[in-house]
Amino acid sequence: QSVLTQPPSASGTPGQRVTISCSGSSTNIGSNSVKWYQYLPGTAPKLLIYSNHQRPSGVADRFSGSTSGTSASLAISGLQSEDEAEYYCAAWDDSLDGELFGGGTKLTVL
Amino acid sequence: QVQLQESGPGLVKPSQTLSLTCTVSGGSISSGLYYWNWVRQPAGKGLEWIGRIYPSGYTNYNPSLKSRLTISIDTSKNQFSLNLNSVTAADTAVYYCARTFRQYAAIDLWGQGTMVTVSS
Repeated sequence: QSVLTQPPSASGTPGQRVTISCSGSSTNIGSNSVKWYQYLPGTAPKLLIYSNHQRPSGVADRFSGSTSGTSASLAISGLQSEDEAEYYCAAWDDSLDGELFGGGTKLTVL
Repeated sequence: QVQLQESGPGLVKPSQTLSLTCTVSGGSISSGLYYWNWVRQPAGKGLEWIGRIYPSGYTNYNPSLKSRLTISIDTSKNQFSLNLNSVTAADTAVYYCARTFRQYAAIDLWGQGTMVTVSS
């Protein structure tokens, strides 16, 4: 059972801006960096955001991350059909001494 | 270009040991820039971090798996391995090996994944 809580689903129409939330605690998001991954089942996950808001080279600037206290958010602007995927937040947890993934959010582009 | 490739049996009997190896090609597993992870995804469920190993051999394990888990590294073969004993159907999943880039503190490279089914 994930200690990082994400909504199971989200949706938007092409061109829209959608936001996916990730709620944690002081031992994970509150004290360690948040990562976001894009995942299409059957393929390897892709790193979208590290250090709460940094994008690796090659990731479109339509993707942005932010944190506030013990919560994090991933925003996708200018939504495209190719963005339809599962999105996972992740953070190290100091009390578990391990990496946590959120439960994942399935994004549907209507 | 660095690539990761998982290998191992696709079918394991209940109570036996699940063993997988990840071969790193195109780069050195001994690089201090990275450490090495196992992650899995059971069907219909989310990603679950299994554990990680540093080039030194230091490990961190998921507490829920720790009692059954061993992750090891063979720098001479540029490989790291996963052994999970006393498996049950709940261990059926796609298993990924993955690299953490220490500067990012994030997994920046994944293997393609391998399906492991626990069944008699």
